[in-house]
Amino acid sequence: AQKVTQAQTEISVVEKEDVTLDCVYETRDTTYYLFWYKQPPSGELVFLIRRNSFDEQNEISGRYSWNFQKSTSSFNFTITASQVVDSAVYFCALSDLSGNTPLVFGKGTRLSVIA
Amino acid sequence: DVKVTQSSRYLVKRTGEKVFLECVQDMDHENMFWYRQDPGLGLRLIYFSYDVKMKEKGDIPEGYSVSREKKERFSLILESASTNQTSMYLCASSLPTVVPAEQYFGPGTRLTVT
Repeated sequence: AQKVTQAQTEISVVEKEDVTLDCVYETRDTTYYLFWYKQPPSGELVFLIRRNSFDEQNEISGRYSWNFQKSTSSFNFTITASQVVDSAVYFCALSDLSGNTPLVFGKGTRLSVIA
Repeated sequence: DVKVTQSSRYLVKRTGEKVFLECVQDMDHENMFWYRQDPGLGLRLIYFSYDVKMKEKGDIPEGYSVSREKKERFSLILESASTNQTSMYLCASSLPTVVPAEQYFGPGTRLTVT
């Protein structure tokens, strides 16, 4: 069975600090996909990134970066120089190769960035 | 701009009422999903649909049913609402690609059953 664990329930940081959100996953599949979504206070989840299991290169997009490590089954998300607008709930999710298999979500991490 | 809309942002219903939550997407997506979100439990899948008139049970289908008569619309039905169905309900849609596609989410409906 697939499982996603986000051990950090809530994190609070001061603006401009760097913060890392942890995501650990479990799957028996050799090919799978990992996602991160952001849920701002408005409620609508917003897609951030999708990564397949064959691509272990780190990804950077502006202040966001993702570290995928197959050896530890982790797909961690780092925000550099955090801003108040980064305050949200962040979800990590997992899916197998089938395009129609629903995502399995972690329980989310609530990030509060304080000015 | 892609859009998933949900009929209500907030809804208050009484125990035993039949409740309809509507979701409409304008992206011509085949796949549609209903989740509920509860504090400490994250998102849990209730039902999903790969095409018109098709439906699949998710992880927590008990007490719910769905209807997909048109491609753009996916309705979640609470046959007899109970207080433990008080929750945030999120609808999503995606394309049926070979690899898992990103899901587009609606703003959610916060349902309170009293």
